[in-house]
Amino acid sequence: AQSVTQPDIHITVSEGASLELRCNYSYGATPYLFWYVQSPGQGLQLLLKYFSGDTLVQGIKGFEAEFKRSQSSFNLRKPSVHWSDAAEYFCAVGHGSSNTGKLIFGQGTTLQVKP
Amino acid sequence: EAGVTQFPSHSVIEKGQTVTLRCDPISGHDNLYWYRRVMGKEIKFLLHFVKESKQDESGMPNNRFLAERTGGTYSTLKVQPAELEDSGVYFCASSQVSGRASAGELFFGEGSRLTVL
Repeated sequence: AQSVTQPDIHITVSEGASLELRCNYSYGATPYLFWYVQSPGQGLQLLLKYFSGDTLVQGIKGFEAEFKRSQSSFNLRKPSVHWSDAAEYFCAVGHGSSNTGKLIFGQGTTLQVKP
Repeated sequence: EAGVTQFPSHSVIEKGQTVTLRCDPISGHDNLYWYRRVMGKEIKFLLHFVKESKQDESGMPNNRFLAERTGGTYSTLKVQPAELEDSGVYFCASSQVSGRASAGELFFGEGSRLTVL
């Protein structure tokens, strides 16, 4: 069965430090992969997505993610974290090519940013 | 442009009562999705509407849950009768079209938190 694993439930980084959030997936075919962010009091917002082609994808707010098929991973990175990045981050895989709004989510990683 | 709106933002009911959650998608979005997050767990798909038709309701937990989207605009999700395990946050999301170009690009509401006592 398809699944998404985010090994880190909670991460704390200092402002200005680099960030990497891990995501591993289990999916039979080439996956559609996504990262969403939920800031306090807001709905989930799409950060970036991968379908095919270049395995390094750029997103909004300075985030990027790299698809590594051999490791079944799609880790999210940011070179320098800002206090406003404190939020919960969700990795997701699209479930089927014809119904790509049906997503399978990981459990989420809560990011805390220290001043 | 207004985003996806959901209400109530928080509902507290007793076991056995009925609750109706409402979602207003972004205007013009034919696709509407309901998701649920039970505390401590992942966000899970419930169902998908295309306009007023149910495209996929494979995630609906049981027949105590009824979703409607009359006229292809707003949607309601009714839980009747509510049980303790129904507590969680119910998210609604919408998207303009299906297909590769906008695949997975869902616009989410802030969610409706349901607490069943």
